[in-house]
Amino acid sequence: EAAVTQSPRSKVAVTGGKVTLSCHQTNNHDYMYWYRQDTGHGLRLIHYSYVADSTEKGDIPDGYKASRPSQENFSLILELASLSQTAVYFCASSGLGVNQDTQYFGPGTRLLVL
Amino acid sequence: GDSVTQTEGLVTLTEGLPVMLNCTYQSTYSPFLFWYVQHLNEAPKLLLKSFTDNKRPEHQGFHATLHKSSSSFHLQKSSAQLSDSALYYCALPSDSGYNKLTFGKGTVLLVSP
Repeated sequence: EAAVTQSPRSKVAVTGGKVTLSCHQTNNHDYMYWYRQDTGHGLRLIHYSYVADSTEKGDIPDGYKASRPSQENFSLILELASLSQTAVYFCASSGLGVNQDTQYFGPGTRLLVL
Repeated sequence: GDSVTQTEGLVTLTEGLPVMLNCTYQSTYSPFLFWYVQHLNEAPKLLLKSFTDNKRPEHQGFHATLHKSSSSFHLQKSSAQLSDSALYYCALPSDSGYNKLTFGKGTVLLVSP
């Protein structure tokens, strides 16, 4: 089974502060993704990456940056956290081969911005 | 652009009754769809993936049939169990590649005794 871990699992941040969410996968997958989950909106793609040292904007990138320093690691950065960024954030990975197109999710990070 | 619609935000059922969660999609390309399930305080995980032919995927008693004529991929189960209570997402692969998925807004299924 694919393995994706996230840290921290929960965080309280202050408005205007910087927040970094980390994701690590041991699946040898090329593709990684950051989503936010909000009631009534489902899962929405923030940023994704298909190779180390490169990131791409997803559907809702405003207010977020991403970093992919290695194949295994993918970070989401909130430079100036805002109340509207309170949500649960999921990282996911997928690769090629037998289970191509299937995304494997991490356990999520619950972020509360006050 | 591509989109996925799940019409019900919440479905409540009594244990033992049949389950049907609706999913319709708009896509000019995708030959297949997914259902993901997320139990409380857990990560979403794959439940079903449609086949490109007419086979019907099944997992944990759930099944879904891709109907291209009606652009639908409804999730069904003959008898709901308490453990089926969860959030269910229908998802469509993006034609822009990179294994991206477009998710519906999700349907919460609550099964009561």
